[in-house]
Amino acid sequence: DIVMTQTPLFLPVTLGQPASISCRSSQSLVHSDGNTYLNWFHQRPGQSPRRLIYKVSKRDSGVPDRFSGSGSGSYFTLKISRVEAEDVGVYYCMQGTQWPGTFGQGTKVEIK
Amino acid sequence: EVRLVQSGAEVRKPGDSLKISCETSGYNFTNYWIGWVRQMPGKGLEWMGIIYPADSDTRYSPSFQGRVTISVDKSISTAYLQWGSLRASDTAMYFCSKHDTMKDWGQGTLVTVSS
Repeated sequence: DIVMTQTPLFLPVTLGQPASISCRSSQSLVHSDGNTYLNWFHQRPGQSPRRLIYKVSKRDSGVPDRFSGSGSGSYFTLKISRVEAEDVGVYYCMQGTQWPGTFGQGTKVEIK
Repeated sequence: EVRLVQSGAEVRKPGDSLKISCETSGYNFTNYWIGWVRQMPGKGLEWMGIIYPADSDTRYSPSFQGRVTISVDKSISTAYLQWGSLRASDTAMYFCSKHDTMKDWGQGTLVTVSS
């Protein structure tokens, strides 16, 4: 299985300030079809995960534009330009290039 | 509107069998892979397996192969996850998700296995 490694695992943030989460895969996530199937999810306590970003940088409908994804190959980043209170929770990267899809350990974002 | 509605919380004893469900609506159930994700208490997310309802082609994550069975009933657009013999370590929240986009998720089913 492809191993996904996120850093940091805990991220205290100040409201209105930027935040960044890194995700590294144990092998390249470039699929034979040329796409890179790297997703970012957000999960609040007691809720189902919500997909924010797919194919590295494509934002899902309804996702605020303060969220952005970047990266290539095996290194990826999720950035929040200005953290809001509703952004707390756990963020997961997930690769869908190779079955089984695998998630990072999760990064818990809390407000300082 | 795509909806995935899961069956309610279950409490079982070790060794018991169990089948939980994920009823879907709002899309052509037959033509999209659907799968199950485990989340153990306080832990992260793990794909368990996926199934293609049209022909019941099923793929399991190696970690779950032989431990669970994923199935569907096309007539009622419902996917299932079942165990033949539960262990305490199966205590977790289980989510179903439409696998092609992973935008659509069930609300989760909490399974508690305790003697």
